[in-house]
Amino acid sequence: AQSVTQLGSHVSVSEGALVLLRCNYSSSVPPYLFWYVQYPNQGLQLLLKYTTGATLVKGINGFEAEFKKSETSFHLTKPSAHMSDAAEYFCAVSDQGAAGNKLTFGGGTRVLVKP
Amino acid sequence: KAGVTQTPRYLIKTRGQQVTLSCSPISGHRSVSWYQQTPGQGLQFLFEYFSETQRNKGNFPGRFSGRQFSNSRSEMNVSTLELGDSALYLCASSPLTGQLSGANVLTFGAGSRLTVL
Repeated sequence: AQSVTQLGSHVSVSEGALVLLRCNYSSSVPPYLFWYVQYPNQGLQLLLKYTTGATLVKGINGFEAEFKKSETSFHLTKPSAHMSDAAEYFCAVSDQGAAGNKLTFGGGTRVLVKP
Repeated sequence: KAGVTQTPRYLIKTRGQQVTLSCSPISGHRSVSWYQQTPGQGLQFLFEYFSETQRNKGNFPGRFSGRQFSNSRSEMNVSTLELGDSALYLCASSPLTGQLSGANVLTFGAGSRLTVL
C-alpha cells in the first residue's frame, strides 16, 4: 500500500524567507505526485503535479517541487514567503496505471508566516 | 465555469441520525470522489463513482454509502451517525477516471462540515 509522509505538521517562516515543505512517499513504482493547498474553510486547490518528464515542476503562486526518485521525495519550495501563503499544504500520490482516481494524502503541514 | 458545489456547507446532527450530502461536479466531469477530513486521521478516501458505477472504495464501514446519478451529481449517505463521524467531507471531480494515460487532476469542492452531537 502506498503511504505519504510529510515531515513537520507545523512550519513557521518569516515573510520573505524560503518555504520548504518535505514529502516522502512509499511506492513500489514511481507514482504520480501532487501538492494541494487548503485555506481555512475551503477545499483543496492544486498547486502542482508531477507525472513524467522534467523532475522540477513549477506550480501556481511561485511554488515549485522537485521529484527525486532515489530519495522517494517530492519536496515543495517557494523562494520568498508571502503572508497569503499561510495555509495547510498536502502532498498526495496516485498509482500510475491505476484503475481509478484514488489519492493517498500525507498528514499535511500547516504554514504560519510571520511578518 | 462553475466549480464543484457541495451542499449543505454546514450541518449538525445527533448520534443515531442519518445524513445525506450532495455534490455537483464541474460540468462535463464524470468522476466524483469523496474524502473525509478529520484532525486525527487526516484526509481519507471514501469512494469514487464514474458513470454511475462505484470504481473504488476506501476502508470505511458499510454505514457510509454513495451513489451517482446520470447527470454525474453524487450523494453520500452516512447512517446511524457516531460522534467520530464529525468531519469535513470533501467531494472532488475529474473528467475521467484511472491513471492509465496520465494523471487525472481532481478539483475539490469547499466541503460539507458535519458535526455530530
